[in-house]
Amino acid sequence: GAVVSQHPSRVICKSGTSVKIECRSLDFQATTMFWYRQFPKKSLMLMATSNEGSKATYEQGVEKDKFLINHASLTLSTLTVTSAHPEDSSFYICSARGLAGETEQFFGPGTRLTVL
Amino acid sequence: GQNIDQPTEMTATEGAIVQINCTYQTSGFNGLFWYQQHAGEAPTFLSYNVLDGLEEKGRFSSFLSRSKGYSYLLLKELQMKDSASYLCAYMDSNYQLIWGAGTKLIIKP
Repeated sequence: GAVVSQHPSRVICKSGTSVKIECRSLDFQATTMFWYRQFPKKSLMLMATSNEGSKATYEQGVEKDKFLINHASLTLSTLTVTSAHPEDSSFYICSARGLAGETEQFFGPGTRLTVL
Repeated sequence: GQNIDQPTEMTATEGAIVQINCTYQTSGFNGLFWYQQHAGEAPTFLSYNVLDGLEEKGRFSSFLSRSKGYSYLLLKELQMKDSASYLCAYMDSNYQLIWGAGTKLIIKP
């Protein structure tokens, strides 16, 4: 099956610093990657959709200047949380999809971000 | 709109059967997914229905009625390890997943 990795799995940072999270598709080419965040006991919330080589499409209410997404290759997308604050503490999950129109998304294991 | 609803929490007994319902309203539909999520982990895929009817996969089955905007996940022979949250999500006309809030399933011995 398709495998998606995320790095790091856990990160603790100080308020005001930036954190980069990587999402990689290990055995397939991901034309589209999705970034979600999830608060405790809540459902997944889509933050943005990124297609390789083009700008990410952000969901309403998600600040594009705060959550920088780069999808530079067919196997790598990065999410950078800039000037992180405690309210950014959350579980961030990426997922990847192969060809356009394919239905299944493959999820990474998630990254637990804690901002002190 | 993006309306999808499932119960917040359910409790069942080990060895029993439980049905988790999901209702949705959407103008564009490309299938209904069920995912299992253990606390602190990413969701794992359970099932996908795009046509009406029942799909059986081992102890888990999923049903879809497109005309009613209704799906359920049926778990048989419950095991303690089935304690998790179960998320339903439909895929809209843009092939984006629209997620329910999840149903926390508690299994008691």
